[in-house]
Amino acid sequence: GQQLNQSPQSMFIQEGEDVSMNCTSSSIFNTWLWYKQEPGEGPVLLIALYKAGELTSNGRLTAQFGITRKDSFLNISASIPSDVGIYFCAGQITNAGKSTFGDGTTLTVKP
Amino acid sequence: DADVTQTPRNRITKTGKRIMLECSQTKGHDRMYWYRQDPGLGLQLIYYSFDVKDINKGEISDGYSVSRQAQAKFSLSLESAIPNQTALYFCATSDRKTSGRALGGNEQFFGPGTRLTVL
Repeated sequence: GQQLNQSPQSMFIQEGEDVSMNCTSSSIFNTWLWYKQEPGEGPVLLIALYKAGELTSNGRLTAQFGITRKDSFLNISASIPSDVGIYFCAGQITNAGKSTFGDGTTLTVKP
Repeated sequence: DADVTQTPRNRITKTGKRIMLECSQTKGHDRMYWYRQDPGLGLQLIYYSFDVKDINKGEISDGYSVSRQAQAKFSLSLESAIPNQTALYFCATSDRKTSGRALGGNEQFFGPGTRLTVL
């Protein structure tokens, strides 16, 4: 089946630093989604991408849908302590109605 | 009030017991999902349902069963729990009609999770 490789697995950064994480797949997806999970809660959607090459921002977050449709990137600028959590990428095939999730990137921000 | 609720939030049980986890949603979505989360392994799809009469196996359905009692309710059962089913379980919903800009694209909305421990 389809698999997503998400990296890095974890990040320890200083407050104010920028963060980059990515997701790659061996097969094509038509939609890329990025979620954030905070401790004790379910994942919450941050950004959705629907077109190859698309670049979308949500506040300090920016995500891109790779041109090959096999990858996606998430950047967080000027990190703050509340950015702590697990970030998941997810890929979808049109009309499949379900997502394939990456294993997550755990972000720790030191004040 | 939460749109997607899960009960119980925490459960400790013994090997061999039958366990049911329940999920309810007030979002009016047609699609519902059950996921399992293990540390470092992301979210694995157990079962999903596109409507009351449409239930599909996910990646790791062995040892689990589901029931879609109504559009708003989707329950997950472990007929005979075993220790390696200890995990965090999430229910999620999505709406085929309104989600996303691409046909079939669907953002999912997750419940708060149920932490299950099988001793």
